[in-house]
Amino acid sequence: EDQVTQSPEALRLQEGESSSLNCSYTVSGLRGLFWYRQDPGKGPEFLFTLYSAGEEKEKERLKATLTKKESFLHITAPKPEDSATYLCAVRTTSGNTPLVFGKGTRLSVIA
Amino acid sequence: GAGVSQTPSNKVTEKGKYVELRCDPISGHTALYWYRQSLGQGPEFLIYFQGTGAADDSGLPNDRFFAVRPEGSVSTLKIQRTERGDSAVYLCASSEPSGTQYFGPGTRLTVL
Repeated sequence: EDQVTQSPEALRLQEGESSSLNCSYTVSGLRGLFWYRQDPGKGPEFLFTLYSAGEEKEKERLKATLTKKESFLHITAPKPEDSATYLCAVRTTSGNTPLVFGKGTRLSVIA
Repeated sequence: GAGVSQTPSNKVTEKGKYVELRCDPISGHTALYWYRQSLGQGPEFLIYFQGTGAADDSGLPNDRFFAVRPEGSVSTLKIQRTERGDSAVYLCASSEPSGTQYFGPGTRLTVL
């Protein structure tokens, strides 16, 4: 069975204190790993897609990386507005197939 | 352009009642997905449509749940004889072929 595990469940950072969120996966075959941001009371907002080990993508203070077993979401010098739940998801077959999500990491950045 | 929209944003109903949740996808997106999210959990897949047909409904928990997409655009998720355990946020997403899934704001369903 395909599984996605995110750690830590919750993370509290001071403004400017860089850190990383982890997403480990066990799947039959990876056809894409996705990072989403979710604010309270809203739907997930797409951030990145990674397809192969060694791939990296960046957007502002966020950088996502991928290995054969896990992905990291690095947050550099975070600001309070980065506070949100970050969700990781995988697609395991080609085409328009559903995503399998982890439970998310709840990030709080304190000014 | 307009994103995925869902109505209503909140729905409170009594145990045993019937509810319908609506999803309006991004124009031109052929694939449409329904997920359910409980507090503190990630979204869980329910059903997805490719065009008008349900391509995979393996995530529907039981036969009280049903969804349609009669013209290949708007979709309705229907829940019969609601139970308290059905309380959750119901999320809809749409995508282009093999594309990124974009989510709507969700419908928060509360069954009293």
